[in-house]
Amino acid sequence: DQQVKQNSPSLSVQEGRISILNCDYTNSMFDYFLWYKKYPAEGPTFLISISSIKDKNEDGRFTVFLNKSAKHLSLHIVPSQPGDSAVYFCAASDGTVTTSGTYKYIFGTGTRLKVLA
Amino acid sequence: NAGVMQNPRHLVRRRGQEARLRCSPMKGHSHVYWYRQLPEEGLKFMVYLQKENIIDESGMPKERFSAEFPKEGPSILRIQQVVRGDSAAYFCASSPVTARPTPGAGANVLTFGAGSRLTVL
Repeated sequence: DQQVKQNSPSLSVQEGRISILNCDYTNSMFDYFLWYKKYPAEGPTFLISISSIKDKNEDGRFTVFLNKSAKHLSLHIVPSQPGDSAVYFCAASDGTVTTSGTYKYIFGTGTRLKVLA
Repeated sequence: NAGVMQNPRHLVRRRGQEARLRCSPMKGHSHVYWYRQLPEEGLKFMVYLQKENIIDESGMPKERFSAEFPKEGPSILRIQQVVRGDSAAYFCASSPVTARPTPGAGANVLTFGAGSRLTVL
């Protein structure tokens, strides 16, 4: 049961254009979302996050949009650069409070972005 | 200020052997997560631990896999009697005491290591 879905396994975009990566989730209790970028043979690195009390968060060229009613979030990269070519994962906090008051994060399957020069 | 350290980076085992993967969290982080990435798949949650305590192991296979995070030393993911299907990249992430950011804050909560790639021959 995939609770966090990234339905596009790959995406190609021309340098300078906008890249839009999508993520859908099924659990309405999810209330904190993360995006990570991963290069080959490296660990995922944090990109940007958003909490459910917001519908947009921006950091430089990266903007994340959250549509709670549609259970959908998207990552916009503009302008796209060749160095942005990587696999992008979205992740969600499942909202289950553990005994220590912390949370686990469920990741999607990733979208491989290729930015063409 | 070292990040999350994982070793070994690459491990080759024959079927039936044991694999031990180690993870030292970031300084000040008391919680460790293990994720597995199978070829052409995403990051699958395996287990979540704090010092001397397993918080959530719902993603761990019931047999052959175990994890610990002792009071002293790194967290260890142990796979007994490895099979070819265990070949994967295993990532560890750590978080501070409260992996629950202030509402509205755009903060990172999980810092990943570079991963350990297990190959079973």
